[in-house]
Amino acid sequence: QLQLQESGPGLVKPSETLSLPCTVSGGSISSSTYYWGWIRQPPGKGLEWIGSIYYSGSTYYNPSLESRVTISVDTSKNQFSLKLSSVTAADTAVYYCVSFLRGTYYMDVWGKGTTVTVSS
Amino acid sequence: QTVVTQEPSFSVSPGGTVTLTCGLSSGSVSTSYYPSWYQQTPGQAPRTLIYSTNTRSSGVPDRFSGSILGNKAALTITGAQADDESDYYCVLYMGSGRWVFGGGTKLTVL
Repeated sequence: QLQLQESGPGLVKPSETLSLPCTVSGGSISSSTYYWGWIRQPPGKGLEWIGSIYYSGSTYYNPSLESRVTISVDTSKNQFSLKLSSVTAADTAVYYCVSFLRGTYYMDVWGKGTTVTVSS
Repeated sequence: QTVVTQEPSFSVSPGGTVTLTCGLSSGSVSTSYYPSWYQQTPGQAPRTLIYSTNTRSSGVPDRFSGSILGNKAALTITGAQADDESDYYCVLYMGSGRWVFGGGTKLTVL
């Protein structure tokens, strides 16, 4: 059964780059069965789709974040990662990695989430 | 800018039936948006309930059902239980690899 686990620093300084890996277990990051994504949730607020990466390597990002976001895959570590540059306090949130089954259109498996605080 | 709308809050009596909706600020929701629904309790990751409008995810009780009602997607809970008290989010696939979440509905069971 596919499982996802986010990791990374809980605290990031303003203007720096947030980097979060998501480790995949129970399946291969290289498999064409899945595609991958990131969702975030600011404290007390709703969910926001950040972006997705497909098995082809194609990436799609939320237009409101597109200029600052990069999602990539590291097959050697069976991970995919989120990088968000020039962070501000508004980027403080719980960040979730998710998987999608190929040919479907929903977030199938969710990681437990990791809290990132942007503060000096 | 596409906005997906949900009721901010709703309440239901134990054993009652409630329908939460998911609409668009402009236009109608259809099956082509592949509406899906997620349940979230405080401090927990969301749990997938319904996908592709009306397909229940594995292990989801059949008191949860999805549909299109009029110009909105809908999540109906029949025979509400105390542990259904949660936040519920819908998300729509907008095409071109893009997704938009609704603002969520806080459901109270009392």
